[in-house]
Amino acid sequence: GQQVMQIPQYQHVQEGEDFTTYCNSSTTLSNIQWYKQRPGGHPVFLIQLVKSGEVKKQKRLTFQFGEAKKNSSLHITATQTTDVGTYFCAGRGYQKVTFGTGTKLQVIP
Amino acid sequence: DGGITQSPKYLFRKEGQNVTLSCEQNLNHDAMYWYRQDPGQGLRLIYYSQIVNDFQKGDIAEGYSVSREKKESFPLTVTSAQKNPTAFYLCASSTGQVISGNTIYFGEGSWLTVV
Repeated sequence: GQQVMQIPQYQHVQEGEDFTTYCNSSTTLSNIQWYKQRPGGHPVFLIQLVKSGEVKKQKRLTFQFGEAKKNSSLHITATQTTDVGTYFCAGRGYQKVTFGTGTKLQVIP
Repeated sequence: DGGITQSPKYLFRKEGQNVTLSCEQNLNHDAMYWYRQDPGQGLRLIYYSQIVNDFQKGDIAEGYSVSREKKESFPLTVTSAQKNPTAFYLCASSTGQVISGNTIYFGEGSWLTVV
């Protein structure tokens, strides 16, 4: 079945450093979404990528969808304490949405 | 305000008891979902419903049951058959079907602890 893995599972960075999380699917995806879950909160939609090789930016966040539509990445430039949380990808395959295991980001002031 | 309301926020249950988690949405969404989240793990789909009076099992449906009698309501019952029910439960909804690329909106979640 469809599996979506995310790495790393945890990441501690100094405030101001960059951060990247990677999402890899065992099957080709029709699209991929990214969500952020603040500590104690619920996942909130960030963005959706649909096209092969697509790159989207939201201020300091850059999202990329791989050419083969099987992987994706989220890069945060110059992290801030407000970036703390767990970032999930959600890959849509045939008749199914599978969430990645998540990357928990801790930013040290 | 439009959104998804889950209740209760925190719930303690004795072993052997069934418990029902409430989920109500006023977003007029057709599709609703229940996910389970355990520490260090992603979101795992328990059940989903794409239309009233219809629902399908997700990846971990054993020990759970749902109903969808109204468009806005999708309650989840955690039965005594669920062997490890202590977890964070998230209800969610979207405008269309799962495969259509619609954004999933989440409720604030319910923490269930079995004592």
